[in-house]
Amino acid sequence: NAGVTQTPKFQVLKTGQSMTLQCAQDMNHEYMSWYRQDPGMGLRLIHYSVGAGITDQGEVPNGYNVSRSTTEDFPLRLLSAAPSQTSVYFCASYPTGSGNTIYFGEGSWLTVV
Amino acid sequence: AQKITQTQPGMFVQEKEAVTLDCTYDTSDPSYGLFWYKQPSSGEMIFLIYQGSYDQQNATEGRYSLNFQKARKSANLVISASQLGDSAMYFCAMRESTAGNNRKLIWGLGTSLAVNP
Repeated sequence: NAGVTQTPKFQVLKTGQSMTLQCAQDMNHEYMSWYRQDPGMGLRLIHYSVGAGITDQGEVPNGYNVSRSTTEDFPLRLLSAAPSQTSVYFCASYPTGSGNTIYFGEGSWLTVV
Repeated sequence: AQKITQTQPGMFVQEKEAVTLDCTYDTSDPSYGLFWYKQPSSGEMIFLIYQGSYDQQNATEGRYSLNFQKARKSANLVISASQLGDSAMYFCAMRESTAGNNRKLIWGLGTSLAVNP
C-alpha cells in the first residue's frame, strides 16, 4: 500500500530554473492538493484538483502550475524558480466522500539559491 | 471567512502529565470535520484524530482525545500521559462539507509541544 508518493525529497535549484515535483496516489482519491509550509506560516494551499482534468488555485498559486491528466498523478511545476519558493512542499489526497483521513506525501524540501 | 486559530505557538509539558492544545474554528457550514495532525522534526504529517460536526461523542484515539465544544467552536486536543516522543508540531485543520466537490482544508499555524523528562 504505497499511499501518496512524493518525489524528490530534496532539491536545490538555481534562480530561474524550472522543475516538477511529482505526486502520485494509488487509492483512487478524487481530491489532490499541493501545500507549501514555511516557518510561522502553517500549511498554505497552492493548487488543488477535485478530479482528472479539473484543477483550481489555492491561496498562493503564483509561480506554480499543475495539471491532472489522470486520477493518480498531480505534478506541481515551478516555472522559473525564485528564492521565495524555498519551502517544504506537501502533496495530499483524500476521497470526496465521507472519508475522514487525509493522506500526505513525505514532503519535498526545496531550496532555491 | 473560514478560519482556524491555534493561540499557543509553544507549549511545555512534563513527561507523564496531560496537556491540552487549543484550537478554535470559524465556519458557517453546519457540516464539517476537524482534524489534528502531528509533525515531528522529521517532517512527515501524522494523522492523530478526527471529529465530525455531527458526532455525538468526543473522538478518542488511544492517548489522544478531542474536547469538542460545538457552541464555543473549539476542538482542543488532549494528550494524556505525555511521552518524550510527543515533542512535535501539532496542527489543527478543518474541512467543510460544502455542496459539490470543493472540500478544501483550512489549517491553523500550529503549536510546538516540548515534553520535558
